Amino acid sequence: DADVTQTPRNRITKTGKRIMLECSQTKGHDRMYWYRQDPGLGLRLIYYSFDVKDINKGEISDGYSVSRQAQAKFSLSLESAIPNQTALYFCATSEPQGNEQFFGPGTRLTVL
Amino acid sequence: GEDVEQSLFLSVREGDSSVINCTYTDSSSTYLYWYKQEPGAGLQLLTYIFSNMDMKQDQRLTVLLNKKDKHLSLRIADTQTGDSAIYFCAERVMGDMRFGAGTRLTVKP
Repeated sequence: DADVTQTPRNRITKTGKRIMLECSQTKGHDRMYWYRQDPGLGLRLIYYSFDVKDINKGEISDGYSVSRQAQAKFSLSLESAIPNQTALYFCATSEPQGNEQFFGPGTRLTVL
Repeated sequence: GEDVEQSLFLSVREGDSSVINCTYTDSSSTYLYWYKQEPGAGLQLLTYIFSNMDMKQDQRLTVLLNKKDKHLSLRIADTQTGDSAIYFCAERVMGDMRFGAGTRLTVKP
């Protein structure tokens, strides 16, 4: 079973709709992250959370919000989706002093 | 600047060596990483090197770090078709991870 799961894996929506992407992990890690991947741009950090009460903006947080419902769950919301939010979204986890981030399989989001 | 840069494409023949290059700008990086992304999957850590090391070898993978030039490379010996993927260079600075855009490696039979 995957340690980091994301739902949905694919989503097509329309401009203006509210969308929530969910991430769950069974690794017991305190730290969780949301990235978006665009062709030619690599991964850019949207939000990160070091524990349930600690949420921080990343490089490109505008237009996004997050919720850390529990240690194991970290959700990303697009309050009013726009076409330039079409991208591949990845959730990741890590230990506080760990050298590795563990990635989920990604959610492909298309905003029409 | 805070950029991690790498070329977008590399094509090699099966059995040859592949060398993927990366440059970074932040001299305070503590660790540098290579991640592999296969189609439809997330990123998986291939290897990493501590910033005070020059080289790390792990089976077919050799990582070279030139800290003076802020240059990192990944050499894959005897490249196989299963090595076809996107390879991301990343640096860790004060707990933040910064990723390059990824190099798409294509291995031709």
